[in-house]
Amino acid sequence: EAGVVQSPRYKIIEKKQPVAFWCNPISGHNTLYWYLQNLGQGPELLIRYENEEAVDDSQLPKDRFSAERLKGVDSTLKIQPAELGDSAVYLCASSLHGTDTQYFGPGTRLTVL
Amino acid sequence: GENVEQHPSTLSVQEGDSAVIKCTYSDSASNYFPWYKQELGKRPQLIIDIRSNVGEKKDQRIAVTLNKTAKHFSLHITETQPEDSAVYFCAAKNNDMRFGAGTRLTVKP
Repeated sequence: EAGVVQSPRYKIIEKKQPVAFWCNPISGHNTLYWYLQNLGQGPELLIRYENEEAVDDSQLPKDRFSAERLKGVDSTLKIQPAELGDSAVYLCASSLHGTDTQYFGPGTRLTVL
Repeated sequence: GENVEQHPSTLSVQEGDSAVIKCTYSDSASNYFPWYKQELGKRPQLIIDIRSNVGEKKDQRIAVTLNKTAKHFSLHITETQPEDSAVYFCAAKNNDMRFGAGTRLTVKP
């Protein structure tokens, strides 16, 4: 079984530029999460989807961050415009609806110059 | 909301020794406590988890204990090997998962 897939794995951009990250969850997993992981820290939840509905986006900085999961499968996280402080690893995870175990993707390491 | 504290932040042991990592949580309604291992540049991988109705769980060299009253849980690794070297994260889940800051474990051969 394929795991959670994310792309790109690495992204370097200049500040004020837009950037987008893509996630494909494990097949059949209704719940999808986007996490932010700063260097030397644990993952922090940005947004959680149940199918195509964002059920918890309270930690998503909505002035510059947006996310979508239009068909309830793949998801895209966007930052526009990016700031220096956005440099981090962006992790996607998925789980079966109603279960607790989350499976993580390899992450996208973003560097904003 | 939930707050998870983890310590130590770094831990160095000799191969064959045991390693213990401890976490505390604040939300008494949290009912699921996973541990993840993250090697450099790789995804966090679940290594063991425990639910609030269980006090201890063991899987080969890895065990987790939970004290609901004190709101703390611990990861125990016995007979450590160099390949156990990684960053370990605890987490606590009520509605959403909250992670500790991580422990960098180094096992010296």
